[in-house]
Amino acid sequence: EVQLVESGGGLVQPGGSQRLSCVASGFTFRNYWMSWVRQAPGKGLEWVANIKLDGSEKYYVHSVKGRFTISRDNAKNTLYLQMNSLRAEDTAIYYCTRVVDFWSGYSDYWGQGTLVTVSS
Amino acid sequence: NFMLTQPHSLSESPGKTVTISCTRGSGSIASNYVQWYQQRPGSAPRTVIYEDKLRPSGVPDRFSGSVDSSSNYASLTISGLKTEDEADYYCQSYDSSLYVIFGGGTKVTVL
Repeated sequence: EVQLVESGGGLVQPGGSQRLSCVASGFTFRNYWMSWVRQAPGKGLEWVANIKLDGSEKYYVHSVKGRFTISRDNAKNTLYLQMNSLRAEDTAIYYCTRVVDFWSGYSDYWGQGTLVTVSS
Repeated sequence: NFMLTQPHSLSESPGKTVTISCTRGSGSIASNYVQWYQQRPGSAPRTVIYEDKLRPSGVPDRFSGSVDSSSNYASLTISGLKTEDEADYYCQSYDSSLYVIFGGGTKVTVL
């Protein structure tokens, strides 16, 4: 059974940093692109970042470029999102997803999400 | 600018059919596959349609997807509506400069 379990969310002050983790199981992690998608309270879904199988390619939504870094450790079956210079508008549930097809952006499995709240 | 536009909300009675549109703002809707995700309150999204019209295993055949290239939109149709179909639905596609794009979401209410 495919499982994606996120952790690392919490309350952080504006300008602060947070690192999210997503532990994958039930499939061969190194064979898949992975992504982070977020959802602000009461709002819609917003793609944040993608990372290639071996971590050699990374793509970001414009609003987080230069502040967020996606990475992965295939030996630990873990996806990360390092978030720096956090802003109030980054407050959201962050979902880890398994990407089936990069050219369509199709994610077939989603974690349950971890909530990041940016507030003083 | 590449955007996917959905109606904000739709409502229909149990047993009826509802169709959600997803209009591409620029470029051809047929350029890249469209996916549809269902999100019930308090839950993570799950796929109901991928690659325009395919259903993952476990999704009932009451859900169907299509693309109308002439009008540049994709559609998700739910027939024989059930109360369990009450949820938010998001379309999603890909753009070579913006990468993954989601529509704004449609809240479906089963009256």
